[in-house]
Amino acid sequence: GAGVSQTPSNKVTEKGKYVELRCDPISGHTALYWYRQSLGQGPEFLIYFQGTGAADDSGLPNDRFFAVRPEGSVSTLKIQRTERGDSAVYLCASREAAGGGTDTQYFGPGTRLTVL
Amino acid sequence: QQQVKQSPQSLIVQKGGISIINCAYENTAFDYFPWYQQFPGKGPALLIAIRPDVSEKKEGRFTISFNKSAKQFSLHIMDSQPGDSATYFCAAREQGGKLIFGQGTELSVKP
Repeated sequence: GAGVSQTPSNKVTEKGKYVELRCDPISGHTALYWYRQSLGQGPEFLIYFQGTGAADDSGLPNDRFFAVRPEGSVSTLKIQRTERGDSAVYLCASREAAGGGTDTQYFGPGTRLTVL
Repeated sequence: QQQVKQSPQSLIVQKGGISIINCAYENTAFDYFPWYQQFPGKGPALLIAIRPDVSEKKEGRFTISFNKSAKQFSLHIMDSQPGDSATYFCAAREQGGKLIFGQGTELSVKP
């Protein structure tokens, strides 16, 4: 079946601009995670949704970052007033259910964000 | 504070050899320890995982050894192949689901 998909695959923007990154999880997966991966580093947790609600947003670096999942499926990560330090690969992962089901988080291919 | 420390940063192994990557963690509340494999331009893919009540898990050429008292775990790749050349990440899961990743090991298997 289809895996986690993310769009766009690449996004180049200018400092100060607003960007939206989209994640389509595996159908039926109720848990969705966003991570950020800088070059040569492991992914770092940003936010986790269980259904429509953000169960843990402790990894969001500041209030320029915001994410939504209004219908419990597709999620959008929004970054306001982008800075050069926001340049990274943004990864989305989904899991069948939190607290039950399988443990596996399935990752998408990521969106490479470059802020000029 | 790095909650999950991974070593080595890079590793070169001859075809047919054994690749060993080590991780150490601090938080005893972690409840699940996966290893992910990542190829350039791709997202991480689950390779093998273990829970802390098990000391070893083997799937094909891949084995996780887990030492709960030492708070360490390792990945062993037997009969390493050039196609195994990738970056490997250990991770640990906090209750609630978020994964804390190690810094990664770039494995190169020479033919």
